[in-house]
Amino acid sequence: GAGVSQSPSNKVTEKGKDVELRCDPISGHTALYWYRQSLGQGLEFLIYFQGNSAPDKSGLPSDRFSAERTGGSVSTLTIQRTQQEDSAVYLCASSLYLGGAGELFFGEGSRLTVL
Amino acid sequence: SQKIEQNSEALNIQEGKTATLTCNYTNYSPAYLQWYRQDPGRGPVFLLLIRENEKEKRKERLKVTFDTTLKQSLFHITASQPADSATYLCALDNNDMRFGAGTRLTVKP
Repeated sequence: GAGVSQSPSNKVTEKGKDVELRCDPISGHTALYWYRQSLGQGLEFLIYFQGNSAPDKSGLPSDRFSAERTGGSVSTLTIQRTQQEDSAVYLCASSLYLGGAGELFFGEGSRLTVL
Repeated sequence: SQKIEQNSEALNIQEGKTATLTCNYTNYSPAYLQWYRQDPGRGPVFLLLIRENEKEKRKERLKVTFDTTLKQSLFHITASQPADSATYLCALDNNDMRFGAGTRLTVKP
């Protein structure tokens, strides 16, 4: 596709349910990043992938959060047993290069609301 | 601990003036620093990248400086316009990319 695609764009769920957020990066982009943005706040780094590998998972807020990337392309961020504090916009970005050598292209985000 | 601080949450200026936004960092040694623009309800959009061995970078009405001794970057928008109103974010490489909280710029006509 022409840009980074995220789905769903909006998700409303009940507390305790699991949710899966999907990111389809720009073809050929090695690096993929997940961020969380609460209302009026900055971008909280969650995890990044170099190819299919996530070297550092320490940014994930709790063990309820997990992420994977397959085939060097699509990534999914899974939140188990959702809590109200998980409500936020989850942003995905991809880049041709890891680190700051290349610009990040962001998707429009997945807005998660946990009731 | 590592920190990225952007000078203020909000900056209001008059159209035609120069806006100057600050990004300070501690306990990072970035090889690159980037600036992004974010409009409400949208993902950030890349504006400029500057390398550690570059002092200054320009693109149209935008200018970025990078001082690795002061651990600071300044982002300037000259001849500002109401359409420049947005939140501006700085980002540092750390293998991953870490963002500051952003400065919300409002340019009044």
